[in-house]
Amino acid sequence: DIVMTQSPLSLPVTPGEPASISCRSSQSLLDKSGYNFLDWYLQKPGQSPQLLIYLGSIRASGVPDRFSGSGSGTDFTLKISRVEAEDVGVYYCMQALQTFTFGPGTRVEIK
Amino acid sequence: DVQLLQSGAEVKKPGESLKISCKDSGYNFTNYWIGWVRQTPGKGLEYMGIIYPGDSDTRYSPSFQGQVTISADKSISTAYLQWSSLKASDTAMYYCARLVVGPTVGYYFDFWGQGALVTVTS
Repeated sequence: DIVMTQSPLSLPVTPGEPASISCRSSQSLLDKSGYNFLDWYLQKPGQSPQLLIYLGSIRASGVPDRFSGSGSGTDFTLKISRVEAEDVGVYYCMQALQTFTFGPGTRVEIK
Repeated sequence: DVQLLQSGAEVKKPGESLKISCKDSGYNFTNYWIGWVRQTPGKGLEYMGIIYPGDSDTRYSPSFQGQVTISADKSISTAYLQWSSLKASDTAMYYCARLVVGPTVGYYFDFWGQGALVTVTS
């Protein structure tokens, strides 16, 4: 089974400042197609998870361009260029190469 | 707009059966896989399984195989998750979500239901 880890697990942020979350997988998520099967989701307080990024770096429809995903193989990063108050919540990475496994989540809160 | 509407919160006793639902609107239900995801404070988000309503092809996570049954009724655009004998450890929030699949578009859950809280307590 592919195990997902994230760091940090808690991230206090200042509005207007950048933020970065790391996600690592126990096996490479690079498929023979050349794509990384890694997604990012945000679960805002009291809401269902929502898709932010798929294939490691492609923003989902309607996702602000301050969100970006990067990485390949086993190491991935989600970056928020300038955090806004509405970005608080728990961020999850999920591998989609072998069924689906979520990371433990990173809680982002305003300082 | 695509919407997945889940049935409401449930409070059940251990040993009881339960079937919760997820009804789609706004897209062709039979053309997408629907997945179920469990969320608990202790284990976070866990993938349970998926179903393709077009032909009822169903896949289970090994962790949930034999523990739950996933089904769908395409005539009413509804997917189901059911238990024959609930345990206290089944207490959780359960989400359905539409799965997009494809080797060049990826595999991701693009629309999620609002969740259904299941509480199993004696």
